Amino acid sequence: GQQVQQSPTSLVLQEGENAELQCNFSTSLNSMQWFYQRPGGSLISVFYNPSGTKQSGRLTSTTVIKERRSSLHISSSQITDSGTYLCAMVSSGSWQLIFGSGTQLTVMP
Amino acid sequence: EAAVTQSPRNKVAVTGGKVTLSCNQTNNHNNMYWYRQDTGHGLRLIHYSYGAGSTEKGDIPDGYKASRPSQENFSLILELATPSQTSVYFCASGDRDRGQAPLFGEGTRLSVL
Repeated sequence: GQQVQQSPTSLVLQEGENAELQCNFSTSLNSMQWFYQRPGGSLISVFYNPSGTKQSGRLTSTTVIKERRSSLHISSSQITDSGTYLCAMVSSGSWQLIFGSGTQLTVMP
Repeated sequence: EAAVTQSPRNKVAVTGGKVTLSCNQTNNHNNMYWYRQDTGHGLRLIHYSYGAGSTEKGDIPDGYKASRPSQENFSLILELATPSQTSVYFCASGDRDRGQAPLFGEGTRLSVL
């Protein structure tokens, strides 16, 4: 089965609203990473978060290794936040990333 | 500044032809990776490498070969390209020993006709 379950698949917000994106992992993980991707664009690392909570501006990532879950909170969303957000678990052996299927976020004016 | 550079950025190939996708990193990272991204499948790992001379199979290696002739360069080779290999390919580099999370290139859009 799929090792990384990401939800929701898509999300539409009005500008200024908050968003909560979730990832759940079916196996134990070494660490995890959140990426942002514009349509047709590359992946930009938003957070590399082994555990606990990290904040950068309006973005907050919380990873609870024991519970095999991670979340990305976006506060006061802006139109420029639109795009796809991907979470990935980092395997301890090969340091490879195993990706979720992504959340497509659309922020409307 | 850390960088991962892929070439070409766009490629159109014919079925049965040979395609080589190149990746260069200036980060001195030991680990390098090739992924493909398809709608409905997300990103899937094709091949990866622990260092110069090393190549390992990822989750979907069939139809692909990889080559890591140096620390900086990692190539993905399609010996006999098929339409099912039409996709966007991403290269990444990272370093487990230094705890440096993977950095991604801009991607290569490949169409096999």
